[in-house]
Amino acid sequence: EAQVTQNPRYLITVTGKKLTVTCSQNMNHEYMSWYRQDPGLGLRQIYYSMNVEVTDKGDVPEGYKVSRKEKRNFPLILESPSPNQTSLYFCASSLRTGGRIAFFGQGTRLTVV
Amino acid sequence: GENVEQHPSTLSVQEGDSAVIKCTYSDSASNYFPWYKQELGKGPQLIIDIRSNVGEKKDQRIAVTLNKTAKHFSLHITETQPEDSAVYFCAAAAGNKLTFGGGTRVLVKP
Repeated sequence: EAQVTQNPRYLITVTGKKLTVTCSQNMNHEYMSWYRQDPGLGLRQIYYSMNVEVTDKGDVPEGYKVSRKEKRNFPLILESPSPNQTSLYFCASSLRTGGRIAFFGQGTRLTVV
Repeated sequence: GENVEQHPSTLSVQEGDSAVIKCTYSDSASNYFPWYKQELGKGPQLIIDIRSNVGEKKDQRIAVTLNKTAKHFSLHITETQPEDSAVYFCAAAAGNKLTFGGGTRVLVKP
């Protein structure tokens, strides 16, 4: 089954404790991206990757890091989480760039206290 | 950068009636406009999309229209059913960037 898998689904952490949210897709897609969803703001892009070892900033990259060492994986790293990073995070993938994102993960609800 | 505004933020309709959600965008370079449906506890799901060389597209009970001159596009759902209740997002894409609207929570009352 074609899917984008995120882990964990829920995470509560403390300020400053480094964390990683994993994302994996099984469709051999080139394009992957991370979004955060906040009430009334829709989904805002954090980072995206057009292929292995190619990443670029989205609209709200501050406080986040990503890596793309393998085509299927695109982890999101928060080196020093802060309460304003409490949000619902989605990973997404598509065959190629150009906007058409057909596959989103189930989401990771992160709370930073 | 691109700015996408979506209205209304909430929409309540009676089952069987039509629902219309409207979006405007600012970047004339945007050329692809997808719509997503997000059910509770799930990720957004692509339901329909339209490219800038097309004015209208229909898929069963849903249709999208695009007015490039005015920079606005709309989602129309006819004969609404309770399972249409969800949050709907519009988006506009220019190159590698996809910018989302703020979302519309649709409630279909039986």
